[in-house]
Amino acid sequence: AQTVTQSQPEMSVQEAETVTLSCTYDTSESNYYLFWYKQPPSRQMILVIRQEAYKQQNATENRFSVNFQKAAKSFSLKISDSQLGDTAMYFCAFMMWLVFGAGTILRVKS
Amino acid sequence: EAEVAQSPRYKITEKSQAVAFWCDPISGHATLYWYRQILGQGPELLVQFQDESVVDDSQLPKDRFSAERLKGVDSTLKIQPAELGDSAMYLCASSSRTGVAFFGQGTRLTVV
Repeated sequence: AQTVTQSQPEMSVQEAETVTLSCTYDTSESNYYLFWYKQPPSRQMILVIRQEAYKQQNATENRFSVNFQKAAKSFSLKISDSQLGDTAMYFCAFMMWLVFGAGTILRVKS
Repeated sequence: EAEVAQSPRYKITEKSQAVAFWCDPISGHATLYWYRQILGQGPELLVQFQDESVVDDSQLPKDRFSAERLKGVDSTLKIQPAELGDSAMYLCASSSRTGVAFFGQGTRLTVV
């Protein structure tokens, strides 16, 4: 079975600073997808970034980038130049069936 | 922009009553997911459809929950009878072959 672990229940970061959210997963599969989703308070879940396991290059999307370590089964999200609008619950997800971690609440402080 | 539609947005029901949620995925998306999310926790997969077939329903409490996607398009999730512990957000998502799942706004269920 696939599992996803987010060990940081809550984090804070100052506006304009950089923050890294951690995620580890466990699978015996070799081909899969990994995602970070964002869920603002009382709002819809939206995709932040996606990584295909067969690609060695780390995905980037504007201020969001990942550090994908396949051997270590690690998939961290780096948010640069944090903005107040980044305040949300962030979920790491693994795709065979779409399995989510428990989430990390990120609070961006002004 | 195409969206996953869910209804109702909010539902209050008494325990032991029946309740149903509806989801219309993005057109052309073969995969449809139903998740349950308790406040402050990650979504828990209840059932996954590929077209009209159930791919995974191992976490669906089958004594009271049922899900169908008869024509491989929209889907209904039913709970009968509802219990207090069923109070949660029920999320529907759909994906194409790219694997990216798009979520609806969810149905917030309160069982009283």
